[in-house]
Amino acid sequence: GAVVSQHPSRVICKSGTSVKIECRSLDFQATTMFWYRQFPKQSLMLMATSNEGSKATYEQGVEKDKFLINHASLTLSTLTVTSAHPEDSSFYICSARYRGPSFNPEAFFGQGTRLTVV
Amino acid sequence: AQTVTQSQPEMSVQEAETVTLSCTYDTSESDYYLFWYKQPPSRQMILVIRQEAYKQQNATENRFSVNFQKAAKSFSLKISDSQLGDAAMYFCAYRSASWVQGAQKLVFGQGTRLTINP
Repeated sequence: GAVVSQHPSRVICKSGTSVKIECRSLDFQATTMFWYRQFPKQSLMLMATSNEGSKATYEQGVEKDKFLINHASLTLSTLTVTSAHPEDSSFYICSARYRGPSFNPEAFFGQGTRLTVV
Repeated sequence: AQTVTQSQPEMSVQEAETVTLSCTYDTSESDYYLFWYKQPPSRQMILVIRQEAYKQQNATENRFSVNFQKAAKSFSLKISDSQLGDAAMYFCAYRSASWVQGAQKLVFGQGTRLTINP
């Protein structure tokens, strides 16, 4: 199956700093990527939809200026948590929609990033 | 908006037995996809099985099968011959078949934590 690589898997940053998380589709083009946040023992909450070459679409209640999303190429989307605070500590997961010669409705997920803000 | 409901926060089953996880959803669309994802302790999202709404035949993947009742908007997952490696969080998810931008996002249920007793 298609592979999505998310980096880093874990990151600890100081309060007030910014941290960037990368999501790469390794063997396919992804015109659309999705960013989720998952709190402990809870479901995945969609934060934003990232479309290559255009502005991301954010879900209601998600701060655009805090969670900057860039989808500069067909294989890379980045999520930057700006001026991070302890309440931003969470597990962040990206997924990519497959774009290829055959249609596949499946979403392919990265390994996730555990962000801890101290 | 579509919603997905998993009414069983936790389930447990004896190894080698069969267990069924419940999922209901609400939508006004006639064409869509349904998925079951597994999230083990590593937190990597793994696709277990998918069902296209236009198909009447229930999907099966080895020990995993679904009972898709379109009229009742029900999509349960049956795991036969449960194994210790099946222990995980299981999420039911819905995806529209619409090509409208933003419609391809996954809508997740709350999840069911499955424990396998040896």
